[in-house]
Amino acid sequence: DTAVSQTPKYLVTQMGNDKSIKCEQNLGHDTMYWYKQDSKKFLKIMFSYNNKELIINETVPNRFSPKSPDKAHLNLHINSLELGDSAVYFCASSQGSRDYGYTFGSGTRLTVV
Amino acid sequence: DQQVKQNSPSLSVQEGRISILNCDYTNSMFDYFLWYKKYPAEGPTFLISISSIKDKNEDGRFTVFLNKSAKHLSLHIVPSQPGDSAVYFCAPPDKLIFGTGTRLQVFP
Repeated sequence: DTAVSQTPKYLVTQMGNDKSIKCEQNLGHDTMYWYKQDSKKFLKIMFSYNNKELIINETVPNRFSPKSPDKAHLNLHINSLELGDSAVYFCASSQGSRDYGYTFGSGTRLTVV
Repeated sequence: DQQVKQNSPSLSVQEGRISILNCDYTNSMFDYFLWYKKYPAEGPTFLISISSIKDKNEDGRFTVFLNKSAKHLSLHIVPSQPGDSAVYFCAPPDKLIFGTGTRLQVFP
């Protein structure tokens, strides 16, 4: 009954590979996000989708492509992985009202070797 | 471009005492703030929010204060409990720009 679930939790892969991280939320929220936590522990937004439409696209290499098949899912596909892509990636969702904040997944630790 | 800063990377407090976590911001257009708590290997969990039309919001042991003129907010936890040991982030909601967080340790 996890509210926002990400898979896999850990991902180790070689440079140059293509990989995907999946995210699903069962809260009925209409907006979903991807965040990257960098080595300095900053959490930076990468993308935001509202009802399957892209609404935020920060300065992220175009090797990163989000895909939202429906409003409950937002997957992150990364092409040609680089060492600098190693980080923890968090998915989150929110619904309209600011009062309830955002619900985050538990994160995916990506290690590129 | 750090629009939100938490200048204390860590804080250690004895159980039962008050914990005060601080956050400074640079953009005076921010009108709403959220505090999150994060345990290791878990995603951040929403804790409490404050709107700029207020200068205080209280929820149980947690109180957030906002000083708009100083562009400063603080989270007070009273009394602190060992289960409060976590990393705390403050963030404005629109783009969810998180600071680096403050690691709180509450010891018995």
